[in-house]
Amino acid sequence: QEQLVQSGAEVKRPGASVKLSCKASGYTFTDFYINWVRQAPGQGLEWVGRFSPKSGSRKYAQQFQGRLNVTTDTSTSTVYMDLSGLRSDDTAVYYCTRDLFPVWELQRSAFDLWGLGTMVTVSS
Amino acid sequence: QSALTQPASVSGSPGQSITISCIGTRSDIGVYDYVSWYQQHPGKAPKLMIYDVSHRPSGVSDRFSGSKSGNTASLIISGLQAEDEADYYCISYTTSSTRVFGTGTKVTVL
Repeated sequence: QEQLVQSGAEVKRPGASVKLSCKASGYTFTDFYINWVRQAPGQGLEWVGRFSPKSGSRKYAQQFQGRLNVTTDTSTSTVYMDLSGLRSDDTAVYYCTRDLFPVWELQRSAFDLWGLGTMVTVSS
Repeated sequence: QSALTQPASVSGSPGQSITISCIGTRSDIGVYDYVSWYQQHPGKAPKLMIYDVSHRPSGVSDRFSGSKSGNTASLIISGLQAEDEADYYCISYTTSSTRVFGTGTKVTVL
């Protein structure tokens, strides 16, 4: 069945970097965007960025520009999210999600498949 | 890009209908029909309920519907049931080619 399997919880010091993984299975990996969404404890959802496994194109929320890098290994259908310069307010559950629409739909977006999330804790 | 504005909480009795608003701007909801809605139960990943303003994915109850007028999108839940008690979020495409979520609404079934 279609699924996204995310890597395990991380604990990092302020200023460090974290690299999360999201492994897709059960569908054609390169046909659909992967988005990252995060949720701080007790807070709402925040869109982080969108990545095309087919073209490598990326779009990040402005607040993550310069700190975020999303890459892929198409041989293993895995997307990686690398966030640097971690701060305490980066403490959150990070979800990877698949777009409902194929990669040639540049504007339409809805997240129909979700990973279980990875908890990232930033603390000194 | 500021978050879209949702009411913090909405409540209703079983069987009633409730509406959750999602207020954006002419840079997001007012320009595009690319609004989707998500339901999130505590400790769970969100679930897609509505996409493209008013379309339901297969498997989602027809008690859930969506609409849009100007800069405001709405999620309507009819025939409210206990299982509908959850947090709900809207999200829209923006003129910056990014996406922005709403602030979230806690639905309570009385």
